[in-house]
Amino acid sequence: AQSVAQPEDQVNVAEGNPLTVKCTYSVSGNPYLFWYVQYPNRGLQFLLKYITGDNLVKGSYGFEAEFNKSQTSFHLKKPSALVSDSALYFCAVSRGFGNEKLTFGTGTRLTIIP
Amino acid sequence: GAVVSQHPSWVICKSGTSVKIECRSLDFQATTMFWYRQFPKQSLMLMATSNEGSKATYEQGVEKDKFLINHASLTLSTLTVTSAHPEDSSFYICSAISGSRGEQYFGPGTRLTVT
Repeated sequence: AQSVAQPEDQVNVAEGNPLTVKCTYSVSGNPYLFWYVQYPNRGLQFLLKYITGDNLVKGSYGFEAEFNKSQTSFHLKKPSALVSDSALYFCAVSRGFGNEKLTFGTGTRLTIIP
Repeated sequence: GAVVSQHPSWVICKSGTSVKIECRSLDFQATTMFWYRQFPKQSLMLMATSNEGSKATYEQGVEKDKFLINHASLTLSTLTVTSAHPEDSSFYICSAISGSRGEQYFGPGTRLTVT
């Protein structure tokens, strides 16, 4: 079985400050890790993924995530937060790429304070 | 590219009626589509995997006779909620796999309210 934990339901960050949204995972074999963002009453938008290679993955809108195998973590980061980054963020894991189903975390609501 | 649409975006129906939700991949062919359900302030729960030309694979606990899935073409999958009840009210989201990229692209979701 595979699972994802997002330990923080809510994260508040002042505009311009760096932000981190935490994610840890559990999966048999090599993990395929994803971050998605959801705005109110909308579907999910893909931010970035880790499949293999460099542990630091860069994605859309200036976000990046660091894969840490020993800590089984895949935290989402951004050096300088924008008010427009306020949204619901989901971490997800699968055992493969393509047709493998995704298992999502419970989501973290990120609020950027002007 | 890789746009997924859903129709309708919002639907209200009376208890006991059926409602169909369409999921379309607009600019790519998708042999596999997924249907998710999201309750307020909760995560997405996978309901079923829909493969073109074959029967859908349902997750444990999902009633296949209640949530009918049809994937008749490489660009269209439909979810029909039969004999809907208020507890079926939820946000339903589909996703499609882009074969060339292997990534899941999500539709904007359909909010179903059963009165």
